[in-house]
Amino acid sequence: DQQVKQNSPSLSVQEGRISILNCDYTNSMFDYFLWYKKYPAEGPTFLISISSIKDKNEDGRFTVFLNKSAKHLSLHIVPSQPGDSAVYFCAASRAGTYKYIFGTGTRLKVLA
Amino acid sequence: KAGVTQTPRYLIKTRGQQVTLSCSPISGHRSVSWYQQTPGQGLQFLFEYFSETQRNKGNFPGRFSGRQFSNSRSEMNVSTLELGDSALYLCASSSRGAGADTQYFGPGTRLTVL
Repeated sequence: DQQVKQNSPSLSVQEGRISILNCDYTNSMFDYFLWYKKYPAEGPTFLISISSIKDKNEDGRFTVFLNKSAKHLSLHIVPSQPGDSAVYFCAASRAGTYKYIFGTGTRLKVLA
Repeated sequence: KAGVTQTPRYLIKTRGQQVTLSCSPISGHRSVSWYQQTPGQGLQFLFEYFSETQRNKGNFPGRFSGRQFSNSRSEMNVSTLELGDSALYLCASSSRGAGADTQYFGPGTRLTVL
């Protein structure tokens, strides 16, 4: 039972354009969400988080949007840069469970 | 502040052996979580420790175990290794634990079982 889904295994975007990565979840009790970026042979690097009391959080080029009614979150990267090419994971948690559930990741390729 | 460290970075074992992986969290972090990543899979949660107590465990067989020490360092052990245990094992630390704040990951230990 995959509670967190990233339905696009890969995405290609031109440098300078917007990258939009999507994530869907099934458990309405999730209340904290994270996005990570991962390069091969390295651990995931934290990018941005959002609590369920918000619908948007911004940090530089990264913005995360949360649509609770649709159980959907998205990560926007503007403008995209070649160094953004990596695998992106979303993760969700419910307070008191002490674990994150991760999606299977989306490989982003930013073309120069 | 130093990040999460994991040792060893690479490990090759044969079927039937056992292995112990180590994780040192960010200073001041009391929560340590372990994940397994295999090709095509996301990160699969193994367990979470806080102040030496296991607070949650994922759906892995009993061959996978862990512990946390009083200095918050953590170890995970896999006994009777199987070929399918070949994976990247990741450790993450946070101040209060998953669901309460952000987890920061170490570089991982790449385990190969022959």
